[in-house]
Amino acid sequence: KQEVTQIPAALSVPEGENLVLNCSFTDSAIYNLQWFRQDPGKGLTSLLLIQSSQREQTSGRLNASLDKSSGRSTLYIAASQPGDSATYLCAAEGGGADGLTFGKGTHLIIQP
Amino acid sequence: DAGVIQSPRHEVTEMGQEVTLRCKPISGHDYLFWYRQTMMRGLELLIYFNNNVPIDDSGMPEDRFSAKMPNASFSTLKIQPSEPRDSAVYFCASSLGLAGGGQFFGPGTRLTVL
Repeated sequence: KQEVTQIPAALSVPEGENLVLNCSFTDSAIYNLQWFRQDPGKGLTSLLLIQSSQREQTSGRLNASLDKSSGRSTLYIAASQPGDSATYLCAAEGGGADGLTFGKGTHLIIQP
Repeated sequence: DAGVIQSPRHEVTEMGQEVTLRCKPISGHDYLFWYRQTMMRGLELLIYFNNNVPIDDSGMPEDRFSAKMPNASFSTLKIQPSEPRDSAVYFCASSLGLAGGGQFFGPGTRLTVL
């Protein structure tokens, strides 16, 4: 059974810092890995999708990498801003499970 | 496209009542997923459909839960009878293919069972 773990569970940093959120998964036979953002009481916003054949994806200040062999993905946020405060979820598709298997998320606070 | 549409956005009901959640997927998407999010367990897949046919319902917690997809543009998740432990946010998502361009989520239905 696929399991997805996110570290850290919570992170608070001052504005302007670069930061890295970590995601690991137990079964490397995934189709893709998706990073989402969730604001309090809101739905899920897809940030980046990395196909299994890809190593990384970039969107603006966000960069996500994927290392299937080691079962790891990272989300890099450059020059963090207070508006980046949210919970970030990673989810693996495939790897012995249909649908998405989600981590518990990293709750991020950017201090102004 | 309007994205995935869910209704109602909020539902408050009393224990024992029937609850029906609704979802309209993105037009052209052939997969539809229902997820549940709780503080304790996070986001979990309940059931998914391919071309309106249920493929895997192993995540449905109990027989009180049922889901249907009568056509390509509509799905329901029903809980009967509802219990307080069913209180959660229920998300619907759709995708084009199972390993394609990712899943797109609706805004969710926040269910409170008193």
